[in-house]
Amino acid sequence: GPKVLQIPSHQIIDMGQMVTLNCDPVSNHLYFYWYKQILGQQMEFLVNFYNGKVMEKSKLFKDQFSVERPDGSYFTLKIQPTALEDSAVYFCASSLDQGGSERLFFGHGTKLSVL
Amino acid sequence: GQQVKQSSPSLTVQEGGISILNCDYENDMFDYFAWYKKYPDNSPTLLISVRSNVDKREDGRLTVFLNKSGKHFSLHITASQPEDTAVYLCGSMQQGTGSKLSFGKGAKLTVSP
Repeated sequence: GPKVLQIPSHQIIDMGQMVTLNCDPVSNHLYFYWYKQILGQQMEFLVNFYNGKVMEKSKLFKDQFSVERPDGSYFTLKIQPTALEDSAVYFCASSLDQGGSERLFFGHGTKLSVL
Repeated sequence: GQQVKQSSPSLTVQEGGISILNCDYENDMFDYFAWYKKYPDNSPTLLISVRSNVDKREDGRLTVFLNKSGKHFSLHITASQPEDTAVYLCGSMQQGTGSKLSFGKGAKLTVSP
């Protein structure tokens, strides 16, 4: 079936540095999402993105976070600067449509370790 | 606080038996309820979903039951097989609010041969 790919699977970074997490969504999808899962906790919505713009973001989406999808390439989550509490698994998702119960396709996650 | 809760973090069922996974939610506005399965590569995949206008939906061996008054929904897997062994996530949301699913922490189902 359709797949969302996330690169890399694991990223280790020193606190204060910048990190970019990459997501290759399903090719004809139009809506993109990031979710965050801290170890032992549930996955939580961070942000959704459509037509080059952030549509909604949660309180977890700090000012240090940004998302973009330049020229239809990777959908990225950038954190600058990183903090210890940013350590988590970040899941990317995409969907063809929105507004109803549109199916989300998730990637396998990128584990971010901030030291 | 946590809007969706899976009270039992793990469950073991004999092959051929019925697996029952439970989920409770807090938000009265939620009208979409879903079960996701986490495959070995860790990616959650939608198994089955139901909207609030029905209280039951079947798809093969899977059935979702929705109890709106109790703010509870469950997943029943009949004729459980070893390949059903996985982590199952329940998720819920209010439709039309940007696909902001609220998930439970997950429950590990083990089906023993």
